[in-house]
Amino acid sequence: AQSVTQLGSHVSVSEGALVLLRCNYSSSVPPYLFWYVQYPNQGLQLLLKYTSAATLVKGINGFEAEFKKSETSFHLTKPSAHMSDAAEYFCAVMAGGGNKLTFGTGTQLKVEL
Amino acid sequence: GAGVSQSPSNKVTEKGKDVELRCDPISGHTALYWYRQSLGQGLEFLIYFQGNSAPDKSGLPSDRFSAERTGGSVSTLTIQRTQQEDSAVYLCASSLVGHFQETQYFGPGTRLLVL
Repeated sequence: AQSVTQLGSHVSVSEGALVLLRCNYSSSVPPYLFWYVQYPNQGLQLLLKYTSAATLVKGINGFEAEFKKSETSFHLTKPSAHMSDAAEYFCAVMAGGGNKLTFGTGTQLKVEL
Repeated sequence: GAGVSQSPSNKVTEKGKDVELRCDPISGHTALYWYRQSLGQGLEFLIYFQGNSAPDKSGLPSDRFSAERTGGSVSTLTIQRTQQEDSAVYLCASSLVGHFQETQYFGPGTRLLVL
């Protein structure tokens, strides 16, 4: 079985500051990892995914994430936050041959002036 | 269509009533998924359809929940005898063929409130 832990249900940053959203996974087999973003009253939108190619994955809107097997982590970063980045972010894992995504509990990102 | 669509966008019902939620996947996508997003449980998988294969129902929380997919396209999630704990946002997603690493594209969800 696989699981995902997102540290920090709420993160607040200043506009222009670094964004770091943490995700750690647990999987007995090599996982595929995803970050999704959810804007208010909207569905989930894929930001990026790791599928065993490059460990540093670049996504949309300037976000990137690095897969670190030794740390079982897949943290999401963005060098400079923008007001439009305020949303809820979900890390998810898919592993073991099944097609279902197992999600973390989400991190609400607030961007302040 | 351009994306996954779901209807209704909001549904209010009384405890004990049955509800049907509809999902239209992206045209040409053969894999379809239902998830539930609730305050208490977060985002959880419910059921997965892939082509003509038997659906993976491992995430359905009780036998009051069922889903079907007609003609390999539109899907309906039915909740019988609704309970207050069924209140949640029900999200549908689709992907091209259901391969292991495929991106799942999500609809806007149906917000269900059971009074």
